[in-house]
Formats: sequence, structure tokens, C-alpha cells
Amino acid sequence: DAMVIQNPRYQVTQFGKPVTLSCSQTLNHNVMYWYQQKSSQAPKLLFHYYDKDFNNEADTPDNFQSRRPNTSFCFLDIRSPGLGDAAMYLCATSSRSWETQYFGPGTRLLVL
Amino acid sequence: AQTVTQSQPEMSVQEAETVTLSCTYDTSENNYYLFWYKQPPSRQMILVIRQEAYKQQNATENRFSVNFQKAAKSFSLKISDSQLGDTAMYFCAFMSLTQGGSEKLVFGKGTKLTVNP
Repeated sequence: DAMVIQNPRYQVTQFGKPVTLSCSQTLNHNVMYWYQQKSSQAPKLLFHYYDKDFNNEADTPDNFQSRRPNTSFCFLDIRSPGLGDAAMYLCATSSRSWETQYFGPGTRLLVL
Repeated sequence: AQTVTQSQPEMSVQEAETVTLSCTYDTSENNYYLFWYKQPPSRQMILVIRQEAYKQQNATENRFSVNFQKAAKSFSLKISDSQLGDTAMYFCAFMSLTQGGSEKLVFGKGTKLTVNP
């Protein structure tokens, strides 16, 4: 089945140790998004790619970076995780920016 | 900037009954979409229903329907014949269509719905 896949589902890292989260999609969608969702809060958009065009949200910390090497894959890099970065990270895709977004299951990040 | 308000942090309903979740939004735009997303415990967020603002007819998807009141900027979700599997966090979301390729979802804070047996 076509879907949005996130690996790993759970990630534990140490304070300050770089970590990479992965998202892949079989929907062949042009747009890929990364959201941060803290406990009992709404998802917060970090950035998105429209094809190869990267769009960063104004309030996304520099500590968060992203790469999209091809249509199917997108990565979220956290260069120096802090305790406040512990959250669920959601990847989503859409065929066009105005179309419905399809979400992956998320990666729960724990920072020790 | 657009804002989305869900005034009910938590709700509960008995199985087989009907429940309505409230959502209001604030925008000066005329062209936009509204969404309800469902996020079950430990599972991925899925689209429940979508409403185009230019359509007067309320969207329906099986047991899920919306009451879209454009002038009042209200977009409530009605779940009929509630089932245990409807237990989830429900997010109302807004998307303006005037951002030239940078359309984004603006989410409300969510309503946690529990369906009781």
C-alpha cells in the first residue's frame, strides 16, 4: 500500500549528540513536511520541501536541518539536541501544497 | 495571521451516541480549506473530512459530517453512532489558498474524544 513511512518509530539520543530521523513515501508526492508535536499540543510545522525547494519556518531553530535527496526520502537532522527537543516528529506529504496532507506514524524522540 | 480555536480540550460520549466537536477560526481570506484530522493513541494522524470554503454544502463522510458556517467562521464536526475506535485526539485545521505555493496547515490545539462502552 502507498504510504508515508518513518524510521525509527522511537529514538533515544543523548543531550548534544546529533540525530537523524528518516521519512520515506511511496505516494510520489511533490511536497514533504516535518512537524514537531509536543505532548498534548498541536503539530508545529518546522519546514517543508516543494520538490527540491526548501521552505523554512521563521521560528524554526537553526539546530534543525533537513535534506531531501530525492522525491521519496526526506531527513530531519537535529545537530545538538536539547532536552526541549524531546517530542514526536511527524512527516507528512501532499501532491501539491494545497492538497490534503498524509501523515506518517511519527518518530518519538527522547533526549537524555 | 490565521488562528484556529477548539474550545473543548476533552469530551466523552457513550458508544452509539452522537457528539459534536466545535471549531472556530479567524481569517480575512475568502479562499481556504478546512480539515478535521484524527490522531488515535499511538497511531498516525489521518484525515477525517475536508471542506472547501467556496462550497455551501456541508461535507459528509459516512458517520462524520460538518456544520460549516462561513459567516460565523465556525466548522464543527458531528460524529454519529460513535464507536470505540473513534477514541482519539481530533484536530481542526485551516489552510489558506492564497499563499502562492506555500500553503500551510494551521492546527487548533485539539479535542481529546473518549468513546465509552
